Parts: sequence; structure tokens; C-alpha cells
Amino acid sequence: SAVISQKPSRDICQRGTSLTIQCQVDSQVTMMFWYRQQPGQSLTLIATANQGSEATYESGFVIDKFPISRPNLTFSTLTVSNMSPEDSSIYLCSVVSPKGGTGRGPQETQYFGPGTRLLVL
Amino acid sequence: LAKTTQPISMDSYEGQEVNITCSHNNIATNDYITWYQQFPSQGPRFIIQGYKTKVTNEVASLFIPADRKSSTLSLPRVSLSDTAVYYCLVRNSGNTPLVFGKGTRLSVIA
Repeated sequence: SAVISQKPSRDICQRGTSLTIQCQVDSQVTMMFWYRQQPGQSLTLIATANQGSEATYESGFVIDKFPISRPNLTFSTLTVSNMSPEDSSIYLCSVVSPKGGTGRGPQETQYFGPGTRLLVL
Repeated sequence: LAKTTQPISMDSYEGQEVNITCSHNNIATNDYITWYQQFPSQGPRFIIQGYKTKVTNEVASLFIPADRKSSTLSLPRVSLSDTAVYYCLVRNSGNTPLVFGKGTRLSVIA
């Protein structure tokens, strides 16, 4: 399994400012993802962040708004830039880690961090 | 990726068995069915995964018929703490991020 921590756990920000969210994993992982969950909604994938390469963004998300860093195999940051109230969401970091179990199926499981709750005023 | 369809919400009394059915008509040969649970203010948590027939762990059972176009998550004897959103997902490899649908909001009442 993988234990993921995120900082900050929550924040209240003013519009026009930026916030950087940190994600720390207790083991080395290749694949890391960032999701957004707006109030009362399901999770939406923002981007895939692999160490040593540029992040890959999903439709509707751009690097200028959500720059991502992935300096090593245990850490990543997501910045929410020039924030507006529409950016108020929970931002979640997620990794794929070997399951290490037996039986048929992919040997990887996707784990999620506790999320960062962002409110933009 | 195959699209999944599941009920928006379900209610249950404590102590009952809850079955949540998910349809995935376009599931591919290499796809697996995965279920996650999410409590308020927490990230989703892996519950169970299967390819076909039946899979059981300490939390739940997963029933998958031969055609694999649907699956049923079974939660035995639910308690109030099982109140959460349950997501049915289809995945084919560890390199592909999970794509979430709307999920099923389960409410357990005393």
C-alpha cells in the first residue's frame, strides 16, 4: 500500500492569488495523478505527473492555471494559479502502487491522499 | 474506457445486506472492475476488485456474471459507518488513471 499526505489540508484564499499544494508519498511511485472534486460532485482528473517529464493535462485543464512539479518519485506539487471562486474544490493527489497481493488482476492499486479543501473568496 | 452506470442513491437500515449493481456494457477483455468507497472529507478508498465470478474480502463481496456487463457490490450487515459514496470503475492497467462516474450515495439509518 501507499500512504499519502497532503499540505495544506485546507485553506481559504483571496481571488487572484495562487496556492501550492504538496503531496508526499511514503514510497517511490512512478505514476502520480491530481484530481479535483467540486462540492457535491465526483472526482475529475486534472493531470498525470510522471517524474522527469512534463505533466499531461486532461481536457479543460492547462499548465498555466495548474502548473505541476514532480522533482522525485515521492513528491509532487500542484499550484492553483490566479484563483477565482470557481476553483473552490477539494484537490486530491493519487498514486499507483504495487498491490503485492496474489490472485488475478492488475498488481497495482490506485491510492488517494486525504485531499486539500480550498475555498476561494 | 467502458462507461459505468449505477444508482444515484440507496437507503438501508442497519444490519441489512446492501447490494449495489453497476452496469458496464462496453467492458473490454482486459478490463477489471474496481470499487471504491468515499467518506465525506476523505479521499476514495479501495474496497475490492475482480475480473469475473466472485471475489470476497473482509469488507465486501463482488459478483460478476459471465458476460461481465454488470457487477454487484455486496456489503453484509451494514452499519451507520458504511454511509458513504460508492464508486464502480473499470480499469485495464496500472498506468491508466481511474475515471470516476457519479457513484452511489448509500445512507444507512438506524
